Amino acid sequence: GAVVSQHPSRVICKSGTSVKIECRSLDFQATTMFWYRQFPKQSLMLMATSNEGSKATYEQGVEKDKFLINHASLTLSTLTVTSAHPEDSSFYICSGRGGLTDNEQFFGPGTRLTVL
Amino acid sequence: KQEVTQIPAALSVPEGENLVLNCSFTDSAIYNLQWFRQDPGKGLTSLLLIQSSQREQTSGRLNASLDKSSGRSTLYIAASQPGDSATYLCAVDGSSGGGADGLTFGKGTHLIIQP
Repeated sequence: GAVVSQHPSRVICKSGTSVKIECRSLDFQATTMFWYRQFPKQSLMLMATSNEGSKATYEQGVEKDKFLINHASLTLSTLTVTSAHPEDSSFYICSGRGGLTDNEQFFGPGTRLTVL
Repeated sequence: KQEVTQIPAALSVPEGENLVLNCSFTDSAIYNLQWFRQDPGKGLTSLLLIQSSQREQTSGRLNASLDKSSGRSTLYIAASQPGDSATYLCAVDGSSGGGADGLTFGKGTHLIIQP
């Protein structure tokens, strides 16, 4: 299957700082990328959908000014958590789909964010 | 809004047993359904993807079935091994599919295979 990477894999930050997470499709062009988050013992919840070159579409209850998403190229999307608070601590996972892989989403390994 | 339910939430069985994990979804108009495995603190490993026009998919000791009209899918694991211990997630891609929608996930079945 297609490969998606995320960086960093783990980040610890102080409350009030901003954190950027990168999601890259390594061997395919992801026309659409998705961002999910997973709280402990919960399932993955879709946060937003982004198409290359367009503004992201956010799910209900997800603050677009807090979770900034940029999908500037077909292989890179970034999620920036602005003014992070402890309740933002979660596991963030991205996925991509596009081209020959269009009927399936391929997931990154996830980023564990801990806000102190 | 699509809702995905997985039963049981947790399961512990001795090694060697065959077992069935269940997934149900409320809106039968789906594009595809996918089963994933997630190890503690890790990302997702895709196991099987079933298109809406398909009835089942098989990979090794795994078999997934789909009954779209009744909103159900099952994941069958044959001859379970301790290495199968993980959380198994079911996810559906909505009817608009084709890349437009994200997946809706169930809460998972936490599986422990006892050596």
